[in-house]
Amino acid sequence: GQSLEQPSEVTAVEGAIVQINCTYQTSGFYGLSWYQQHDGGAPTFLSYNALDGLEETGRFSSFLSRSDSYGYLLLQELQMKDSASYFCAVTPQAAGNKLTFGGGTRVLVKP
Amino acid sequence: GAGVSQSPSNKVTEKGKDVELRCDPISGHTALYWYRQSLGQGLEFLIYFQGNSAPDKSGLPSDRFSAERTGGSVSTLTIQRTQQEDSAVYLCASSLGGGNTGELFFGEGSRLTVL
Repeated sequence: GQSLEQPSEVTAVEGAIVQINCTYQTSGFYGLSWYQQHDGGAPTFLSYNALDGLEETGRFSSFLSRSDSYGYLLLQELQMKDSASYFCAVTPQAAGNKLTFGGGTRVLVKP
Repeated sequence: GAGVSQSPSNKVTEKGKDVELRCDPISGHTALYWYRQSLGQGLEFLIYFQGNSAPDKSGLPSDRFSAERTGGSVSTLTIQRTQQEDSAVYLCASSLGGGNTGELFFGEGSRLTVL
C-alpha cells in the first residue's frame, strides 16, 4: 500500500521561505505531485517530479529523492495568497492512473 | 466549459435519502476520478473511470455507493440510504488519461451534508 506523511500546519511571515516535507512508504510509484487548495476551492496542480532532483516553477520548487523516500515543496517569497493547504500525492505503479494523497499541510502566511 | 463542472455545489439531505452527484469533465479527458474529502482532511480515492469503464472501484466505502459514466463524459456518483458519516465534499477530477504526469484537473466539489 501507500502512505504519505506531511506536517499538519506551518506558519510563516510574508517574504519568508517555507519547506513542506513529504515522506512516503510505497511499493513503487511513477512520480510525486504537489497540489494547492484554498479553503472551499478545488485542488490545483503545482508540480510533478518523475525523477530525482529539483523542479522549479517560479516561486515554487519541488524535490524528490527516491532513495530517501522523501520529497518536499519549497515556497519562496511567501505572499498572503499562498495561505492554503498543500498536498503531496503519488501515482502508484500498481494502481493505474489514480493519485494517492497525503493528509495535507495547512500554510498560514502572516503579515 | 473550460474546467471540470460539478453539481450540485451544496446538498443537504436527511439520513436515509438517496443523493446523486454529477460531474462534467473537461472535454476530451478520458480519465475521470471521484475523491472524497472530509473537513480538514486529505483526499480519499473512491473510483476511477477510463472511458465508460471503471477499472478501479477499490475506494468505494460500501455497496451504498455507486458510480457510472456515460458517453465517455458525464459521471454520476450515487449514494443510497445516506448516513451522517457520508457528510463530506465529493471532488471529481479528470485527466487526458495517457501517461503518468501526476496532473489531475479538479472541480470545486459537491458539499454533502447528511442530517
